[in-house]
Amino acid sequence: KAGVTQTPRYLIKTRGQQVTLSCSPISGHRSVSWYQQTPGQGLQFLFEYFSETQRNKGNFPGRFSGRQFSNSRSEMNVSTLELGDSALYLCASSLAHRSGVYYNEQFFGPGTRLTVL
Amino acid sequence: AQTVTQSQPEMSVQEAETVTLSCTYDTSESDYYLFWYKQPPSRQMILVIRQEAYKQQNATENRFSVNFQKAAKSFSLKISDSQLGDAAMYFCAYKGGSEKLVFGKGTKLTVNP
Repeated sequence: KAGVTQTPRYLIKTRGQQVTLSCSPISGHRSVSWYQQTPGQGLQFLFEYFSETQRNKGNFPGRFSGRQFSNSRSEMNVSTLELGDSALYLCASSLAHRSGVYYNEQFFGPGTRLTVL
Repeated sequence: AQTVTQSQPEMSVQEAETVTLSCTYDTSESDYYLFWYKQPPSRQMILVIRQEAYKQQNATENRFSVNFQKAAKSFSLKISDSQLGDAAMYFCAYKGGSEKLVFGKGTKLTVNP
């Protein structure tokens, strides 16, 4: 079974631009979560989508948004980029059932490295 | 809000030796899950081991085992017979009633030959 894929793997943008990152979950997984990883703040939860609906949201400004499509693929968008948005953005997918811990395991993609100049 | 604390920013171990990474957490929830993730320099996050809070038995996966102390809110990872390939950042993570994972700051493990 193919793992979680993220595209692109690397991005360089300038301040004020916007960017869209894509995540394809493992086949059959309906939940997709996004995390931001920086050396200073570590791993921080951005949001989670399940069946095209945002179920959970982290403490990030409104410039960060996302969506999920009917095939469970997800995109996140960052508008008006700031230098501090430079980070590794990780996507994770899970079955999101409550029947046991194995179904709560999140599988991570390789990440998208975003550099804002 | 839930928090996860890893008090050891860096650890080192000799090849074939045993090392223990510490993790404590804070929560008011009664039903939750705990995980250890490994992130090698290639950056792909990999699940190492998982523990359900209601299970008293400590989880074990080959050379990896945990010491789960629910009352103390402690969840340490023991790596036995350390190998060079174990070198990575290790993150302790908490998951409660939502899909949100709360991570610790991580411990960088170096394995010396």
